[in-house]
Amino acid sequence: AQSVSQHNHHVILSEAASLELGCNYSYGGTVNLFWYVQYPGQHLQLLLKYFSGDPLVKGIKGFEAEFIKSKFSFNLRKPSVQWSDTAEYFCAVNEPRDDKIIFGKGTRLHILP
Amino acid sequence: EAGVAQSPRYKIIEKRQSVAFWCNPISGHATLYWYQQILGQGPKLLIQFQNNGVVDDSQLPKDRFSAERLKGVDSTLKIQPAKLEDSAVYLCASSLATPSFYEQYFGPGTRLTVT
Repeated sequence: AQSVSQHNHHVILSEAASLELGCNYSYGGTVNLFWYVQYPGQHLQLLLKYFSGDPLVKGIKGFEAEFIKSKFSFNLRKPSVQWSDTAEYFCAVNEPRDDKIIFGKGTRLHILP
Repeated sequence: EAGVAQSPRYKIIEKRQSVAFWCNPISGHATLYWYQQILGQGPKLLIQFQNNGVVDDSQLPKDRFSAERLKGVDSTLKIQPAKLEDSAVYLCASSLATPSFYEQYFGPGTRLTVT
């Protein structure tokens, strides 16, 4: 069965630091990949997605993610974080033939002002 | 555009009691999902509807959980009887169609505490 691993459960950074959150999935075939974010007190919302094409995907609020097929990875990056990026981040994967999204356990990001 | 609505937002019940959650998806969204999110974990799909038909309920504990989506719009998720391990946030989401190509929009969730 498909699984998603997020390496860091809790990350603490200072403002302006660079961010990289790791995500690996287990399926070797064609996949769609997502990062979702949940800001404090808000709904889970889509940050960015990869379906095909350019493996470097840009999302909202300056976030980007790179799909590396050989490493089964889809890491999330941001060059300079802000206090408002404090949130929980979930990586998710979908097998197109299955139409079911599998979520990772999430990474709680805390940005110090 | 109105988002996905859920009620109640919080519920505390004793074990062996029953509880029901309600979800109203975004207008026009054919696909509706119920997820269970236990503290410290990511959302886990319980059931997926396409209009008023069930697409996937493989992870729904059918001995105690049930869900319906009458008329292909609103949906209810019921737990009867509840167990301590059912304490979680229950998320409803909707999308225009299947998640392969369409974004899922999530509601605020219902936080259930079973004592």
